[in-house]
Amino acid sequence: EVRLVESGGGLVKPGESLRLSCAASGFTFSSYSMDWVRQAPGKGLEWVSSISSSSSYIYYADSVKGRFTISRDNAKNSLYLQMNSLTAEDTAVFYCARDKKPFCGGDCPDAFDIWGQGTMVTVSS
Amino acid sequence: QLVLTQSPSASASLGASVKLTCTLSSGHSGYAIAWHQQQPDKGPRYLMKLNNDGSHIKGDGIPDRFSGSSSGAERYLTISSLQSEDEADYYCQTWASGIRVFGGGTKLTVL
Repeated sequence: EVRLVESGGGLVKPGESLRLSCAASGFTFSSYSMDWVRQAPGKGLEWVSSISSSSSYIYYADSVKGRFTISRDNAKNSLYLQMNSLTAEDTAVFYCARDKKPFCGGDCPDAFDIWGQGTMVTVSS
Repeated sequence: QLVLTQSPSASASLGASVKLTCTLSSGHSGYAIAWHQQQPDKGPRYLMKLNNDGSHIKGDGIPDRFSGSSSGAERYLTISSLQSEDEADYYCQTWASGIRVFGGGTKLTVL
């Protein structure tokens, strides 16, 4: 079964840091670009960051650029999101998602065809 | 600027059909999109990838009741024989080098 499972969410204070993880199974993780998407309470989906299969291409939304860092470990079938200088506006459910097109060595954006169940991040004093 | 526009809400009766619309911004009418469904208190679920010629590739297990079509800059999701579990938020998504974009979502109510 193809599966993505996020972890690492929790309650933190403004200015603090948090690291999210996404464990992939059921497919060849190293062949796919991966993404983080978030959803603030009662709001729509917002793309956060993308990383290509070999980590050569990395992109961020303007709202998180300079504060968040995406990375992956293909040997561990895992995706990560290091979040620093968190503010209340970062409060959201964070989802990891897979880009549909495999075996792309570069930046090959595509539909998100597999989603995790999400992990909640709450930033509050 | 690559933008997707969706109506905030739609409604239709149980057993009827509904057509949701996603509009690509000016200059981007050739782009493919994807449709995703988000049922209450659940994560998103991929429904299909929809090309500008109307061809589409559905995700595993997506019922035949869900279909897609295109016209110019408009991308459509049609759900026929509406069931109660179709009541959900529906998001369109597109992409380009360095960016991925979501529409604001349409909340579908099944009456």
